[in-house]
Amino acid sequence: GAGVSQSPRYKVTKRGQDVALRCDPISGHVSLYWYRQALGQGPEFLTYFNYEAQQDKSGLPNDRFSAERPEGSISTLTIQRTEQRDSAMYRCASSPDRGPNYGYTFGSGTRLTVV
Amino acid sequence: AQSVTQLDSQVPVFEEAPVELRCNYSSSVSVYLFWYVQYPNQGLQLLLKYLSGSTLVKGINGFEAEFNKSQTSFHLRKPSVHISDTAEYFCAVSGAGGGSTLGRLYFGRGTQLTVWP
Repeated sequence: GAGVSQSPRYKVTKRGQDVALRCDPISGHVSLYWYRQALGQGPEFLTYFNYEAQQDKSGLPNDRFSAERPEGSISTLTIQRTEQRDSAMYRCASSPDRGPNYGYTFGSGTRLTVV
Repeated sequence: AQSVTQLDSQVPVFEEAPVELRCNYSSSVSVYLFWYVQYPNQGLQLLLKYLSGSTLVKGINGFEAEFNKSQTSFHLRKPSVHISDTAEYFCAVSGAGGGSTLGRLYFGRGTQLTVWP
């Protein structure tokens, strides 16, 4: 596609429910990143894929968070047993290759609200 | 690891006035530096980046930034702002070395620039 597409744009869920957030990167982009942005804060790194391989998941806050990119294209970030502190904007970015010199393109994000 | 401090959370300015948004970083290794802009209900858009070479970097929409290694700063400037520049601006840093963290960005908390008529 022309840009990075994230869905849904908004998600409201009850505490304890599982949610799945989707990211469709720019076609052909090798690298895919997930970031989380709390209100009044800058984005914080969660995890990164190179093709289908999860290269770095050190930013995932706990084992309720997981991500996959099975065919090296679309990625899903899953949060199990959601808690109110998980409420944030979740942003996805893709890049033609590793390294910032290639430039990232960010999606518009998914606003998650846990009530 | 790297970190970024954006010294001003909000910067109000009148149209056609100059503006400077301040950014300082901390890192034990060489770095790449970035400024991103976020308009309401949109994704982050890259304004400019410093990778190497000339310390004065020019970006889109008339913005520029200067890398100052001795002061570990990367301040963003524009000589004359427009109302359409109203947005949130994020400074970010990435380690320039290789390894699994290559490409991982560390962002500041953001500066809200509001341009008044």
